[in-house]
Amino acid sequence: DTGVSQDPRHKITKRGQNVTFRCDPISEHNRLYWYRQTLGQGPEFLTYFQNEAQLEKSRLLSDRFSAERPKGSFSTLEIQRTEQGDSAMYLCASSLGRVSTDTQYFGPGTRLTVL
Amino acid sequence: AQSVTQPDIHITVSEGASLELRCNYSYGATPYLFWYVQSPGQGLQLLLKYFSGDTLVQGIKGFEAEFKRSQSSFNLRKPSVHWSDAAEYFCAVGFTRGGSNYKLTFGKGTLLTVNP
Repeated sequence: DTGVSQDPRHKITKRGQNVTFRCDPISEHNRLYWYRQTLGQGPEFLTYFQNEAQLEKSRLLSDRFSAERPKGSFSTLEIQRTEQGDSAMYLCASSLGRVSTDTQYFGPGTRLTVL
Repeated sequence: AQSVTQPDIHITVSEGASLELRCNYSYGATPYLFWYVQSPGQGLQLLLKYFSGDTLVQGIKGFEAEFKRSQSSFNLRKPSVHWSDAAEYFCAVGFTRGGSNYKLTFGKGTLLTVNP
């Protein structure tokens, strides 16, 4: 069990650029989640996948954001035309998704800075 | 809508002292409750969780938490704090669908400082 991994760990970009983050969940975990955490706040739910199906999206996920999990394994989160307000830590988590006592395990996060 | 309140933004304790971090939740059904810890620049590590049964749950690193339905609380405790416990602590409630929780709502966190 290697845990949830995220790449890159840090990303600095200029306003208006597009960025893409990758998340690799724990193997055999069916569910994958994305959260966003801004300074001084707890993580906020963005979206989640059951296998390759995206089942819910938060209203925080504007149309500039898109997430995919094409083969039910890794996932990508893309932000188009980045804005300074997008600066945050983007956390990925995964879980088995098969039991009522489902528990989410988090990756180290990708810290995005938009200049 | 579900919500989590952590009333204490910052707590300072001396090493060896006892610790209690408060968490109150608002949720219409039986809650699934979690405590996570986050060290600087790191992701979240699960400390403990409550789904049902015994209202006193034990976690890693010597932490425990007690679910009190009448008070809508899930406070985290540790009898003797170590300097390595300095971190930010988040309480979360899991939103359920079909009996399985899938979306966590977090509190704003409590930053713990440990004095030598």
